[in-house]
Amino acid sequence: DAGVTQSPTHLIKTRGQQVTLRCSPKSGHDTVSWYQQALGQGPQFIFQYYEEEERQRGNFPDRFSGHQFPNYSSELNVNALLLGDSALYLCASSYEKGIHEKLFFGSGTQLSVL
Amino acid sequence: AQSVTQLGSHVSVSEGALVLLRCNYSSSVPPYLFWYVQYPNQGLQLLLKYTSAATLVKGINGFEAEFKKSETSFHLTKPSAHMSDAAEYFCAVRVTGANNLFFGTGTRLTVIP
Repeated sequence: DAGVTQSPTHLIKTRGQQVTLRCSPKSGHDTVSWYQQALGQGPQFIFQYYEEEERQRGNFPDRFSGHQFPNYSSELNVNALLLGDSALYLCASSYEKGIHEKLFFGSGTQLSVL
Repeated sequence: AQSVTQLGSHVSVSEGALVLLRCNYSSSVPPYLFWYVQYPNQGLQLLLKYTSAATLVKGINGFEAEFKKSETSFHLTKPSAHMSDAAEYFCAVRVTGANNLFFGTGTRLTVIP
C-alpha cells in the first residue's frame, strides 16, 4: 500500500515564475492538507481540501492556490514566486471520518526559488 | 489562539542516556497534542498523540509523553537513547473544531556514541 506520494521531489524556479506541486493521498484517504516548511522551521499550514473544496486556509496570500480532483489527489499552485517561497512543501492526507487520527505525510517537494 | 514552544533547538545526549524534549503549548480550549519525528529527506512520522484520554501517552520506538495541564506542557521522553533516534522532533497542537496542526520550530536530537 503506497503512502502519500508527492512529485516532483525537487524543483528549481526563478522569481516571478509559477509552479505546480502534486500529491496523491494514501489509499482510502479523502482529505489533503498542504504545509510549507522553511529551513529550520516547523511546517506551517497552507490549506486543506475535502470533497474538492478548500475547507480551511492558513495565513498565506492568494498566490497560493490549490485543487483537489475526484480521485482525491491534489495540486498546490504558487504564482509569482518570491525568494521567500523557497521551502519544503509537505502534503498530508487523512480520512475525514477519522479526523482525530493521525495525518500521513509525504516526503515533500523541495522548492528552490532563485 | 494556539501555539507550541519547543525549548532547545538542539539537544545532544549520549547513547543509552535519557532523552527529554520539551514542549509547552498555548491554547484557549483543550487541545490535541502530537509529537512527530522527521528523518533527513523524509516527511513527518507520528510518534504519539494526546486526545484527552490518558495523560501519559506511549508512542512508537519507546517514546512517551505526559500531558500536564497545570504546566501546559507535553514533554517527550525516552529512557535510553539509540543512535537511530537522531532526527528532528516537532511538537504540534490542534484545537477542537480545527482541521490543521500548529507546529513548533523543532528540536534536533543528536545521539553521541
